[in-house]
Amino acid sequence: SAVISQKPSRDICQRGTSLTIQCQVDSQVTMMFWYRQQPGQSLTLIATANQGSEATYESGFVIDKFPISRPNLTFSTLTVSNMSPEDSSIYLCSVPVGQGFGDTFGSGTRLTVV
Amino acid sequence: KQEVTQIPAALSVPEGENLVLNCSFTDSAIYNLQWFRQDPGKGLTSLLLIQSSQREQTSGRLNASLDKSSGRSTLYIAASQPGDSATYLCAVHSSGTYKYIFGTGTRLKVLA
Repeated sequence: SAVISQKPSRDICQRGTSLTIQCQVDSQVTMMFWYRQQPGQSLTLIATANQGSEATYESGFVIDKFPISRPNLTFSTLTVSNMSPEDSSIYLCSVPVGQGFGDTFGSGTRLTVV
Repeated sequence: KQEVTQIPAALSVPEGENLVLNCSFTDSAIYNLQWFRQDPGKGLTSLLLIQSSQREQTSGRLNASLDKSSGRSTLYIAASQPGDSATYLCAVHSSGTYKYIFGTGTRLKVLA
């Protein structure tokens, strides 16, 4: 299965600033997914990052707040913009292993906004 | 719209007990269902994947079953150990979509 390297693993940021999270995959994948897990909650899909096209955002998430880049088939970034304490969460990227083979997840980025 | 629920929300058991975690989903049209483990503040580790055509999957002390018609899956952990303490999440991949819908998780604590 694919191996994902996600950076940073954690960060503490000041409100009003932005943080960019990176995910590097060891193989080429068409789709990459970005999730948010708020404290004590389950995972919620933010958007799907497709190479060569705009990301597809889920209801409740907008590009201005969570801009995504997908410059090639092995890399993607998620930026959390103009952060507030409510953005404190774990952010995870994932990729499909193959049709019907489930998804592999990165190790997550634990973000605390103060 | 697919909804996934896990019961119980939290569970505390003595070491050595066999235990069952439950996952239910509202739409039976699925590709597969995946069980994950999450340690505090960490990412997800895939435990078992069950295809829609399968009834169960086993890995070591773990056994996951799937009853698609009733919208249920169970994760059975045999002879629990303190190292099993974590949050267990089930996620459903619905037919016709590209994404997983996650359950609310079960926080398991195994006492030594």
